[in-house]
Amino acid sequence: DIQMTQSPSSLSASVGDRVTITCRASQSIGSSLNWYQHKPGKAPEVLIYATSILQAGVPSRFSGRGSGTDFTLTISSLEPEDFATYYCQQSATDPRSFGQGTKVDMK
Amino acid sequence: QVQVVQSEGEMKTPGASVKVSCRASGYNFVDYGFSWVRQAPGHGLEWMGWISAYYGDTHFARKFQGRVTLTRDISTNTVFMEMTSLRSDDTAVYYCVSEREKRGVVFFGHWGQGTLVTVSS
Repeated sequence: DIQMTQSPSSLSASVGDRVTITCRASQSIGSSLNWYQHKPGKAPEVLIYATSILQAGVPSRFSGRGSGTDFTLTISSLEPEDFATYYCQQSATDPRSFGQGTKVDMK
Repeated sequence: QVQVVQSEGEMKTPGASVKVSCRASGYNFVDYGFSWVRQAPGHGLEWMGWISAYYGDTHFARKFQGRVTLTRDISTNTVFMEMTSLRSDDTAVYYCVSEREKRGVVFFGHWGQGTLVTVSS
């Protein structure tokens, strides 16, 4: 099974900050990496699929990069609605595993 | 627009079974598969398994193999997740997700609202 490791597990930031979250796969997954945003009491939502493609309606301040085993999600300028938990997820092979999540909270 | 609507929350005792339903609308049901994902209190997202809406074949994470059954009813655009031998650590919100595939990559495109399953004596 492919293990997904995110870092950091949590971070504190302010509105306007640039935030970068890292996701590492235990073996190469090509570009089969997706990112989700999850807010308490709501269902997760896809932000980025196939490493770098923004889902329709997702603001352009979100971006994704990487390939193989190392990936990043960047929020260029944090907005109040971006405080949430972010998960990476690989779909190269079953089981379709998630990272453990990165909680972004207010400094 | 695409909608994925799950059944209401359930309270179960240890050892019991639960069956959660998930009805999709707004697209051709058989075009995409469904995954089930759960989140236990204080934990992250955990992928449980997948069912093809077209063929009905399934894949499972190893820890759920043999204890979880996924089925679908094409006539009602509904998928079902049944879990047996419930334990307290199965207490979680269970999400049904209609997958999508673009650029050759599958992702969890449309999520149900979640169903809280509470297992307690």
